[in-house]
Amino acid sequence: EIVMTQSPATLSVSPGERVTLSCRASQTVRSNLAWYQQKPGQAPRLLIYISSTRAPGIPARFSGSGSDTEFTLTISSLQSDDSAVYYCQQYNNWPPGFGPGTRVEIK
Amino acid sequence: QVQLVQSGAEVRKPGASVKVSCKASGYTFTDFPINWVRQAPGQRPEWMGWIDVGNGNTKFSQRFQGRLSFTGDTSANLAHMTLSGLTSDDTAVYYCARPPYSGSFLPFHHWGQGTLVTVSS
Repeated sequence: EIVMTQSPATLSVSPGERVTLSCRASQTVRSNLAWYQQKPGQAPRLLIYISSTRAPGIPARFSGSGSDTEFTLTISSLQSDDSAVYYCQQYNNWPPGFGPGTRVEIK
Repeated sequence: QVQLVQSGAEVRKPGASVKVSCKASGYTFTDFPINWVRQAPGQRPEWMGWIDVGNGNTKFSQRFQGRLSFTGDTSANLAHMTLSGLTSDDTAVYYCARPPYSGSFLPFHHWGQGTLVTVSS
């Protein structure tokens, strides 16, 4: 089973700043990597899939990159509405698994 | 638009079973599989398995082998998840979820609102 890790665990950022979240897989997942945003009491929301493809309706300030074992989610200019937990998920191997998440807080 | 609407919260005693429903609308139900994902309090989401509602094929996570089943009712656009042998570790929000495009199983683009299942004596 592929193990997903994320860093940092928590991030406190001012509005307008650039945010970079990292995700690492224990073995290659090629580009079969997705990012989700989850706010309290809500279902996760798909942001990015195939490593860098934005899901429909997702603002352009969200971008993804990486392949194999190292991936990055970037928020180019943080908005107050972006306060949430962000999860990466690999879906190259069964079972598809999520990372532990990065909590993004607004200063 | 695509919608997945789930049944309401459930409370069960240890050892019991629970059935959660997911009603789909806004797309051709048989063109997309339904995944089931659960999330325990404060934990990351966990994939449980999927059902191809078009032909009834299923795939389960090894963690749930033997106590998990999925069914699909194509006449009503309904998918059901039944988990038996419940313990307190099964207390979680259970979600149904659909991939973004036909022919794929993953990732999870459309989600139900979630169903809280509480297991308590």
